[in-house]
Amino acid sequence: DAMVIQNPRYQVTQFGKPVTLSCSQTLNHNVMYWYQQKSSQAPKLLFHYYDKDFNNEADTPDNFQSRRPNTSFCFLDIRSPGLGDAAMYLCATSSGDTDTQYFGPGTRLTVL
Amino acid sequence: LAKTTQPISMDSYEGQEVNITCSHNNIATNDYITWYQQFPSQGPRFIIQGYKTKVTNEVASLFIPADRKSSTLSLPRVSLSDTAVYYCLVGRTGANNLFFGTGTRLTVIP
Repeated sequence: DAMVIQNPRYQVTQFGKPVTLSCSQTLNHNVMYWYQQKSSQAPKLLFHYYDKDFNNEADTPDNFQSRRPNTSFCFLDIRSPGLGDAAMYLCATSSGDTDTQYFGPGTRLTVL
Repeated sequence: LAKTTQPISMDSYEGQEVNITCSHNNIATNDYITWYQQFPSQGPRFIIQGYKTKVTNEVASLFIPADRKSSTLSLPRVSLSDTAVYYCLVGRTGANNLFFGTGTRLTVIP
C-alpha cells in the first residue's frame, strides 16, 4: 500500500508558468519534507514542515513555496519555473519520534 | 553543519560482502546516522539507522565507532538487485541540518 503518494509522477511546464506538485501521506506523520534532486546528484532539502511550522533552508530560492493545509497533504509551488528547476522533486515524511524518512516516488519536472 | 563524504562508486561481485564508509566529522551530539538506497527514478528507501556502536537488521549492518565521525554500511552477500546508489544522511527529524552525502554508486557484477 502506498504510504507517500506524489502526483503527478511526470509534469511538463513552460518556462515561467507556475506549477504545483502535490504530496499526500497515509502515515499520519507530523513532518513532511520537499527535496530537489537533479540528475546524478544527491537529494537537496528545500524545506520541511514540522506540524504546521514551516522551516525553509537558507539557500532555497524564493521561487519555491510550500503549503500544508492539513496533516496528510503538502504542496510545492514553483512560481516561475526556470530551465534550471528541471529535476526530480521528492516528498518525504517522518514521525517526530524517529529520524527515518519515508519517500514518495517523486515527480519529474520538465521545463520547456 | 554535519556534511558527509562517501566514495563516489564501488564495484563488487555477487555474493561478496560490501562495506561503504561515510565520513561525518562535524556530527552533532543529537544527530542520528541513516542510510538510504535509491534505484533510478525512485525515491530513496530506508535501509538502516543508528546512533552509536553496531546496529543490524535483516538487510544490513551499520558500524559506528566511538567518536561517531564515520560510519560503515555493510551489505552481506550482495546480489545484482543491490546495484543502486547508497546515501548516508546525518541529522535530526525536523532540524534544519539534513544533508545527503554525495552517494556511493554500487555496481554488483555477475
